[in-house]
Order: sequence, then structure tokens, then C-alpha cells
Amino acid sequence: AQSVTQLDSQVPVFEEAPVELRCNYSSSVSVYLFWYVQYPNQGLQLLLKYLSGSTLVESINGFEAEFNKSQTSFHLRKPSVHISDTAEYFCAVSHTGGFKTIFGAGTRLFVKA
Amino acid sequence: DVKVTQSSRYLVKRTGEKVFLECVQDMDHENMFWYRQDPGLGLRLIYFSYDVKMKEKGDIPEGYSVSREKKERFSLILESASTNQTSMYLCASSLRGQKDSRGSNQPQHFGDGTRLSIL
Repeated sequence: AQSVTQLDSQVPVFEEAPVELRCNYSSSVSVYLFWYVQYPNQGLQLLLKYLSGSTLVESINGFEAEFNKSQTSFHLRKPSVHISDTAEYFCAVSHTGGFKTIFGAGTRLFVKA
Repeated sequence: DVKVTQSSRYLVKRTGEKVFLECVQDMDHENMFWYRQDPGLGLRLIYFSYDVKMKEKGDIPEGYSVSREKKERFSLILESASTNQTSMYLCASSLRGQKDSRGSNQPQHFGDGTRLSIL
């Protein structure tokens, strides 16, 4: 069975500092990996995804994530955060040929001035 | 852009009532999903549908049912609401895709959620 573990429930960080949100998954088959972001009072929005090819994927707003198959991880990073990055971030995994996506419990990122 | 619209942002109902949550998407997506979101638990799948009139149980279907009579609309029904169903409910849709015919490589598009309180 698949599972997703987000290792930190809350991450406080100062503006312009780097941040890493950690995500580990377990699966016995090939997977697709996603990061979603949820701003207050909104639904989830896709941030980035790994389907195949280059293990480093990037979003348009400066986030990146690296698929590490041996570590079964898909950590999200940003070299310099902004106040506007304050949100909840969800890591998610689905397996090839399936309908379902499994979501992690979420990590709340607080960016302080 | 894909638009997923949930009929209510906030809803208050009483124990024992039958509750309908409606979701409409405008991009001809085959797959639609209902989740509930609770603090510390992330999103848990209640039901999903991969075609009109087709439905599959998710991880927590007890106390819920769904209806998909048209491709664009997916309804969640609480048959007899209970206080432990107080939660945020999120609807999502996705393409089924071609290479992966079930759509697991497709991102899901979410509505803004319905915050449901059962008193």
C-alpha cells in the first residue's frame, strides 16, 4: 500500500531565508509525485509534479523538488521565501495505472518578517 | 483555466438531516473526487468517479453516498448527518489522460471547499 509522510507539521522561517519541506513516500510500484499548495480559505493548487525524466522539477514561483528514488523522497525547497509563501503544502503520490492520489498530512509554512 | 465550483462555502446543518454537497467542473474532465480535510490528517478520499454513473469507494465512504448523473456534476450526500462529519469538504477533478488511461499522472483541480458544521 502507498503512504506519504510529511515529516514536519509546521515550519516557521524568516523572510528571505531558505526552506525545505520534507516528504517521504512508500510504494512498491512506479509512482508519480506532486506538491500542492493551499492558501487560506482556498482549495489546493498544483505547485509542481514529477512524472518522469529529470529528477529535479521546478515551479514558476521559485520552488523546486527533487525525486530521490533510493531515498523514496520528494523534498520541496526554495532558496529565499517571501511572506506570500505562507500557506499549507501537501505532498502527494499516485501509482501508474491507478485512479487514486494519496496525500500527506500537510506542512504549514509560516514566513515571518 | 479549469474551474471547479462547489455550491456552498459554508453550511450549517442539524444531526440527522440529509445533506447534499454539489460540485461542478467546466473542463470536461472524466475523473471527479470528494475528499474531507481535517487538521493533522490531510486529505482523505471519500468517493471518486471515473465516468458518468460510475463510482468507487475511497478510504472513508461510511455515512456518505455520491451521484454522478452528468459528466460535469458530482454530488456528495450525507444520508443522516452526524457531528463527526463536521469538516472541510473538497471536490476535485482531473483528466483521465491517454498514456496512463486512469489519470494518475494528471494533476487534480480543486474547488475552494465547503466548510460543513453539523450541530
